[in-house]
Amino acid sequence: SAVISQKPSRDICQRGTSLTIQCQVDSQVTMMFWYRQQPGQSLTLIATANQGSEATYESGFVIDKFPISRPNLTFSTLTVSNMSPEDSSIYLCSVEEETQYFGPGTRLLVL
Amino acid sequence: DAKTTQPTSMDCAEGRAANLPCNHSTISGNEYVYWYRQIHSQGPQYIIHGLKNNETNEMASLIITEDRKSSTLILPHATLRDTAVYYCIVSESGSARQLTFGSGTQLTVLP
Repeated sequence: SAVISQKPSRDICQRGTSLTIQCQVDSQVTMMFWYRQQPGQSLTLIATANQGSEATYESGFVIDKFPISRPNLTFSTLTVSNMSPEDSSIYLCSVEEETQYFGPGTRLLVL
Repeated sequence: DAKTTQPTSMDCAEGRAANLPCNHSTISGNEYVYWYRQIHSQGPQYIIHGLKNNETNEMASLIITEDRKSSTLILPHATLRDTAVYYCIVSESGSARQLTFGSGTQLTVLP
């Protein structure tokens, strides 16, 4: 299975600032996804990161708030913009091979 | 994707088999049953998946009823490290597949 890393692993940020989360895979994959897990909740899909085109966002998530880049088949970034305390969550990337494999997550606390 | 129903929590004695049930009565013919687990503060980990036949791998066994309306994940010899939230997900196989996570079952393995 693919080995996935995320940076940073955790961060504490001030409201109004932005944070970019990186997701690196050790092999080329077609499909990459970004999820959010709010405290005590299950995972919610934010968007599908498409290589060479704009990301496809799920209902309730918009590009201005969560811009995503996918410059190649092994890398993607998710930016959480103009953060508020409600953005405090674990953000996870995943890749699709035979099934989906998840990165370790980025734990974000917004003060 | 079909909806799944799982118990909120379960306990299991260390060394005994853990049997985690899942109901998916609206599953369609081309949908698979996937199981993931999430150990506290980590990314979800793929366990096993199946269509209609029972499946076994090094981690667990998956038993799917003949009508495919329910399934059971079996951890044959639970250890303390198996304490986690277990998610049963029904989804089509193939690319661009989105996983819809429910609330899952919190399995606690007791010493």
